[in-house]
Amino acid sequence: NAGVTQTPKFRILKIGQSMTLQCTQDMNHNYMYWYRQDPGMGLKLIYYSVGAGITDKGEVPNGYNVSRSTTEDFPLRLELAAPSQTSVYFCASRSGQGRNTIYFGEGSWLTVV
Amino acid sequence: QQQVKQSPQSLIVQKGGISIINCAYENTAFDYFPWYQQFPGKGPALLIAIRPDVSEKKEGRFTISFNKSAKQFSLHIMDSQPGDSATYFCAASREGGSEKLVFGKGTKLTVNP
Repeated sequence: NAGVTQTPKFRILKIGQSMTLQCTQDMNHNYMYWYRQDPGMGLKLIYYSVGAGITDKGEVPNGYNVSRSTTEDFPLRLELAAPSQTSVYFCASRSGQGRNTIYFGEGSWLTVV
Repeated sequence: QQQVKQSPQSLIVQKGGISIINCAYENTAFDYFPWYQQFPGKGPALLIAIRPDVSEKKEGRFTISFNKSAKQFSLHIMDSQPGDSATYFCAASREGGSEKLVFGKGTKLTVNP
């Protein structure tokens, strides 16, 4: 039972480079989320999606883009990486029924140098 | 503006003791209050959650106490064990908000043997 799978686990980027963090879930969940976690700051929502083809901004969307072409996949794109984007990124998902559990992936550690 | 304030930032407890972590929220529209547990190198995992229609919820050694009038809720870990050492996050969300969780900054709990 895979749940929410994120790749890569670790990545070092140079300033100005771009990359995509991949996220896939096998639970047929409608809702998917991207959070970033900085030391001592909790988790902050970057983008979320309520279903295929529908995305919306969260609290800290600047410098990121997302797409949701399928129910399973929710990639996060970093354009023109900056040191401020050094963080741990978590993808999460939940079904659309009721107030139920949000499941998190194991995280992607990104360093921008 | 921090919508969910969590304290303390870190907590050290002896094995067998009681761990208490507190959170306060500002948005009265919040109606779902989960606690997440995160071990190093892993994603957060739901520990226990409460709705504002009850004042307390207990699951094993973990209890949430909720005070709606004070807009506060807390996590109590009874008989704390070294295996409970982790970072704990409180969170809140509101119905109709796409379950966008707003997280506290986290509490790093260390339980000494």
